[in-house]
Amino acid sequence: DTGVSQDPRHKITKRGQNVTFRCDPISEHNRLYWYRQTLGQGPEFLTYFQNEAQLEKSRLLSDRFSAERPKGSFSTLEIQRTEQGDSAMYLCASSLATSGPQETQYFGPGTRLLVL
Amino acid sequence: AQSVSQHNHHVILSEAASLELGCNYSYGGTVNLFWYVQYPGQHLQLLLKYFSGDPLVKGIKGFEAEFIKSKFSFNLRKPSVQWSDTAEYFCAVNAGSASKIIFGSGTRLSIRP
Repeated sequence: DTGVSQDPRHKITKRGQNVTFRCDPISEHNRLYWYRQTLGQGPEFLTYFQNEAQLEKSRLLSDRFSAERPKGSFSTLEIQRTEQGDSAMYLCASSLATSGPQETQYFGPGTRLLVL
Repeated sequence: AQSVSQHNHHVILSEAASLELGCNYSYGGTVNLFWYVQYPGQHLQLLLKYFSGDPLVKGIKGFEAEFIKSKFSFNLRKPSVQWSDTAEYFCAVNAGSASKIIFGSGTRLSIRP
């Protein structure tokens, strides 16, 4: 399978703990996105990378959230001091951005986080 | 701010019925438009996309969508639905030079066999 992969698929943690999620994009895709989806809603943009550079962060991304893409391949999303409101599905997507505006994002299966 | 509205939260149809799911967006400039589908237990998949050109776009599994710029709409259609079309459908927009996608809240489609 050469799609976007995410690990773990499910995570249950206690309030106040730190969690880290990993995303492996489609090979050679230079852009990587993180979204969050809560029940009954569509995905909401969190942040994205072009290669190693983090180019945009949403206001949804509080200072407890940090994302990295150190070598321009996989990415990690860390949530520190988790809160019950962080419970959601965290989605990763990747795309191959060229010089034009037309790009298609391909999504992974997501990591479902439950904070108790 | 950009936004996407999907008018129906839950649509229930019988097999072979025709489908139209509404989608409106708010943005005055150039847009790229998408419909994604999420089948039960699966991840988001691209159904179809509009970047430019013919405003009637055909996607996978017999779906199509029409971009009507004057109405800021991108409605999804299928002439005859099947039970396997049961899923959640998300309309999304990527506006101007922005990279992020703004999603609607989704429409759950249930098909009665």
